[in-house]
Amino acid sequence: DAKTTQPNSMESNEEEPVHLPCNHSTISGTDYIHWYRQLPSQGPEYVIHGLTSNVNNRMASLAIAEDRKSSTLILHRATLRDAAVYYCAPGQGGSEKLVFGKGTKLTVNP
Amino acid sequence: KAGVTQTPRYLIKTRGQQVTLSCSPISGHRSVSWYQQTPGQGLQFLFEYFSETQRNKGNFPGRFSGRQFSNSRSEMNVSTLELGDSALYLCASSLQGGGTDTQYFGPGTRLTVL
Repeated sequence: DAKTTQPNSMESNEEEPVHLPCNHSTISGTDYIHWYRQLPSQGPEYVIHGLTSNVNNRMASLAIAEDRKSSTLILHRATLRDAAVYYCAPGQGGSEKLVFGKGTKLTVNP
Repeated sequence: KAGVTQTPRYLIKTRGQQVTLSCSPISGHRSVSWYQQTPGQGLQFLFEYFSETQRNKGNFPGRFSGRQFSNSRSEMNVSTLELGDSALYLCASSLQGGGTDTQYFGPGTRLTVL
């Protein structure tokens, strides 16, 4: 299985940008990198995913390293509602199997 | 459009019993995956079903099984429950699967084994 490494926790202030890193050095060349976030007592919520180039949506941006061994989720202006555990989850073998990291708990200070 | 629903939301069982969990995917989604979430191991992939066929399987013992019906609804079964099976079981659905689609997760079923 691909190995995924994320920092245990990060802290940010409201309305400031947040960069959440993830290492996935064993990802194959055709597997997408997915990001989810999870609030207590809820299922993971999709944030963004990409393959090679940087991706943007209304929630966040995803910056993928050229060698694809790491990626960074960017929240442009953190809000209190962004406080959650963020998971990096590379796919595996072109399947639906996602290899979740341990997650980064993001705290947003008012 | 309704999201992924899972029933029941909470279950308490004793060791040795078996349990069946149910998942209804988003309308039109044909791929259903199951994950186990525990504090120690995190989120781990159990299996994926597409068009009533198991397409992928994670590294879990044979006590864990599943199936998918023609309407894409899915069930997973755990037999001979062990204390270590206590976990949040999550179901996710996507349109076609294959690793490129977005997977949408349900709220999960919290299983406690006593």
